[in-house]
Amino acid sequence: QLQLQESGPGLVKPSETLSLTCNVSGGSISSSSYYWGWVRQPPGKGLEWIGNIHYTGKTYYNPSLQSRVTISVDTSKNQFSLKLSSVTAADTAMFFCARLRYTYGLAIDYWGQGTLVTVSS
Amino acid sequence: QSVLTQPPSASGTPGQRVTISCSGSSSNIGSNYVNWYQQLPGTAPKLLIYSNNQRPSGVPDRLSGSRSGTSASLAISGLQSEDEADYYCAAWDDSLHGLVFGTGTKVTVL
Repeated sequence: QLQLQESGPGLVKPSETLSLTCNVSGGSISSSSYYWGWVRQPPGKGLEWIGNIHYTGKTYYNPSLQSRVTISVDTSKNQFSLKLSSVTAADTAMFFCARLRYTYGLAIDYWGQGTLVTVSS
Repeated sequence: QSVLTQPPSASGTPGQRVTISCSGSSSNIGSNYVNWYQQLPGTAPKLLIYSNNQRPSGVPDRLSGSRSGTSASLAISGLQSEDEADYYCAAWDDSLHGLVFGTGTKVTVL
């Protein structure tokens, strides 16, 4: 059974860079059938897509965040990572890592449990 | 910013049928598959419907999805107390080159 687990600091200071890693277990990240991505959800609000990466390194980013976002993949460790720079309080959210399945119309068929990141001094 | 529009709330009594709409445009719903997710409080979303109307293994057939033009809908038949949750539609957007989610609908079982 595939499992995704987010890890990283739960508190980040304003203007600093938020860094999260998603460890994938129970399956290989190096499959052409999937993209790996990040979704966030501010407290009490809806879901917002951050971006996706394919194991080949191909990335897609949310245009509204593109200038601040970097998603990378490490196939040797079977994990992928998110960096969001110059954070503000508006970036406080639950961050989910996810698997997008190409043959399911890019539906997210597996989600991590989520990790809450608070931006505060 | 949500590109897909959903009603903020929907409700029904146990056993009733509830339908949730999702309105988009030609660059997303009009040209790509629609997927639906259920999110229970304090948990990660769960995939309910993919490719407009397909159910993953384990999702009951009283849930169904459809798409017509630039709109889609999710129907829940035989409403149960455990259906009380937030529901989101999503689709790839060719103009934004990214995934867009709906605004979300809170379903209440009366």
